[in-house]
Amino acid sequence: QQPVQSPQAVILREGEDAVINCSSSKALYSVHWYRQKHGEAPVFLMILLKGGEQKGHEKISASFNEKKQQSSLYLTASQLSYSGTYFCGTGLTTDSWGKLQFGAGTQVVVTP
Amino acid sequence: GAVVSQHPSWVICKSGTSVKIECRSLDFQATTMFWYRQFPKQSLMLMATSNEGSKATYEQGVEKDKFLINHASLTLSTLTVTSAHPEDSSFYICSARAGSRAYNEQFFGPGTRLTVL
Repeated sequence: QQPVQSPQAVILREGEDAVINCSSSKALYSVHWYRQKHGEAPVFLMILLKGGEQKGHEKISASFNEKKQQSSLYLTASQLSYSGTYFCGTGLTTDSWGKLQFGAGTQVVVTP
Repeated sequence: GAVVSQHPSWVICKSGTSVKIECRSLDFQATTMFWYRQFPKQSLMLMATSNEGSKATYEQGVEKDKFLINHASLTLSTLTVTSAHPEDSSFYICSARAGSRAYNEQFFGPGTRLTVL
């Protein structure tokens, strides 16, 4: 039931772009993206709902393809502050409680 | 953004004792809160869903008698690890859902590091 994230890790130079993918075998209603820095709680980035929408916050954006049950997170012109582990949390159409199942995470390291 | 606090931030206890962790939503009411467990360099594993005024629902494999959850008010949920053992050592994180819809955002607390000796 856990979504699959790829890649497991990525190393970027400041200013480079990266894509993180999240896919599920179940019908999704929502995809939530979080970033977690070492020893800290996950920080909410954005939520995408069924309907194939895209969202963005500064230079981080995401898309949700409900037909493929996939979401992608785009890091554009990466900054040092983007380093951390990114998790996607998926909400199923069959769940009314809003429970999220989290992927294994993608570790992002941005170097100067 | 919405703020969720957890207390304590870390706790060290002896095997066999019980530990209570509090999760509070500071600037919004949370009908539903969630409790997760995270091992080092691993993902967040949902333990239970806590609803104000009703019994918590536990995920498969989580012992409800060991991990007692009480959602006493719209801003407070507690997790009590009873008769803790070293294998219970972990990072426990709560989240609170802002809004009543299942797809509303969840905001996480800072987590509690539990070490059982």
